[in-house]
This record gives sequence, C-alpha cells and structure tokens, in this order.
Amino acid sequence: DGGITQSPKYLFRKEGQNVTLSCEQNLNHDAMYWYRQDPGQGLRLIYYSQIVNDFQKGDIAEGYSVSREKKESFPLTVTSAQKNPTAFYLCASSRTTSETYEQYFGPGTRLTVT
Amino acid sequence: ILNVEQSPQSLHVQEGDSTNFTCSFPSSNFYALHWYRWETAKSPEALFVMTLNGDEKKKGRISATLNTKEGYSYLYIKGSQPEDSATYLCALKTSTDAGNNRKLIWGLGTSLAVNP
Repeated sequence: DGGITQSPKYLFRKEGQNVTLSCEQNLNHDAMYWYRQDPGQGLRLIYYSQIVNDFQKGDIAEGYSVSREKKESFPLTVTSAQKNPTAFYLCASSRTTSETYEQYFGPGTRLTVT
Repeated sequence: ILNVEQSPQSLHVQEGDSTNFTCSFPSSNFYALHWYRWETAKSPEALFVMTLNGDEKKKGRISATLNTKEGYSYLYIKGSQPEDSATYLCALKTSTDAGNNRKLIWGLGTSLAVNP
C-alpha cells in the first residue's frame, strides 16, 4: 500500500538534546512538507521540499533543520535552539506537478521535551 | 497576514441529521481551497480541492461549494453518520504561491460529533 510513514509515534527527549523525526513516502511524490500542530492553532508549516536536494523554510523554521537526500525521505531535526519543541508533528507529501495539489499525510509524531 | 476562519468551532448532531459548516477566507489572490477530514488517531485525508468560483464537488454524502468573490466555502454532510465524526479542515492556497505548490494557509477546523 502506498502512503506516508512517520516514526516513532511518541517521542520523549530531555531539554537540550537534538531529536530527528522520520518521514518516508512511497507515493513517488516530489513535494514533502513538515507541519506542527499546537492546541488552538492551525497547522503551521515548518519546512517544505519541492525536489530532492532542495528545501525551503516555512513560517516557523527557527530551531528546526531538514534534509532531502532521497525522494522518499524528509527527516526533520528538532534542535536545542527550538524554544517550545513539545508539539504534534505531521509530515505530508504531494505531486508537485498535479493540478489538484492535495496533500497526503502521515500519522504524526508527538514529541514531548522535558 | 492572511487568515482562514472556520465556523462553527464544534458541532454536535444526531445520526441522520444533515449539517453544514463554513470556511471563510480573503477573496483576493484566490487560487485554490482544500477540504480535509481528520479523524481522531488517523491522518488528515483530502476531501476536495476547489479552484473555480461556483465550483461544487461531491463525494458520497459530502459536498462542498465555493464562492471566491465573497470568500467562502460551505461543506455539507447529508444524513450524518457516526463515522462522519471528525475535524474538518479547510486550507487556502493563494495565487502568490501558485506554481510553487508550497504553502497552504490552514483554518482551525470544525469538530463534528455525530451521536448514534
């Protein structure tokens, strides 16, 4: 079955540690995205990538980093510079050339930093 | 700052009721409007992508309309079922981002609970 996988589902880290969230897709999509969800707020874009070896900052990129070395993979690193890292993180992908631009989402990772 | 508003914030209906909710957005620079359904413990799932004023989309008992001139879209559910319980999100794509496929502006969602 085609889809997006994110791992792990729950992640706990101590403050000051970097942590990497995994996102893999087998939909052959060019574009991939990372969103963050916080209570009372809409989904906010952290980073996106339109093609391998290219990525752009979204609205809230500070304290995060990404890489896109393979089409299938778009890992997100939450660094110690991110002031409020505890949140629910969603990864998505879409066909860049599609007229519909609909996005396909993974199940999310809930990160708790104490 | 562009804002996408959804109303109501939450809705409780009885099984069999028909219901609708609203997504409001700035009408300038409109390019596309997305609707997604997000069930608890699952991934958000695309319902519709609407691009033309007057567009009407339908998927089973769910349909949506679009008015880009006045800046709103309605989502209708006919004969609600318990499995329709979810948060329904809309997201706006503006023409300033068109062709880059990079950025949607998301509403907070309408949380629908359908009681059996």
